[in-house]
Amino acid sequence: AQKVTQAQTEISVVEKEDVTLDCVYETRDTTYYLFWYKQPPSGELVFLIRRNSFDEQNEISGRYSWNFQKSTSSFNFTITASQVVDSAVYFCALRSSQGAQKLVFGQGTRLTINP
Amino acid sequence: DAGVTQSPTHLIKTRGQHVTLRCSPISGHKSVSWYQQVLGQGPQFIFQYYEKEERGRGNFPDRFSARQFPNYSSELNVNALLLGDSALYLCASSPGTAVQETQYFGPGTRLLVL
Repeated sequence: AQKVTQAQTEISVVEKEDVTLDCVYETRDTTYYLFWYKQPPSGELVFLIRRNSFDEQNEISGRYSWNFQKSTSSFNFTITASQVVDSAVYFCALRSSQGAQKLVFGQGTRLTINP
Repeated sequence: DAGVTQSPTHLIKTRGQHVTLRCSPISGHKSVSWYQQVLGQGPQFIFQYYEKEERGRGNFPDRFSARQFPNYSSELNVNALLLGDSALYLCASSPGTAVQETQYFGPGTRLLVL
């Protein structure tokens, strides 16, 4: 069975602080994909990044960076110099390379950036 | 180009009724998936359809059904509504069924069952 755990239910920081959102996953597959989505109050899930299990390179996109460590089954997300507009619920998700394009989501982390 | 669109945006039903939710994928996308997101939780996979065929089904009762039309739009039907069906229903589309494809989500339909 596949499982994604986001242990941090809520995080609150002051603007310009750096913040890291944790994601730990479980899967028996050797090939799989990991995703991060952002869900603002409007409800729409906004795609942020996709990573396959064979690519352990960290990735940076502007103020966002992702740290994939297969040895610890973690795919953490860091926002540098946070801004109020970063406030949202963030979801980590896992998908197997077999079968349907089924995403298994974590419970999400509600991030609040205070001015 | 337009993203994934869903209708209606909000819906209120009473227990026992049925509901139909609609989704139009991104132009050129042939795969549509449906997810249920109960308040405070992550989305749960309900169905995936590709070329009008069901490609996957999550752990949902038979009251939930879906179909896909020749223009790749899709409908999700829920019969005999229960209070627990109150949720945000999200539709996602992708170009096909390749494992590396990203699914892009619509704004969702908020269903309230009274």
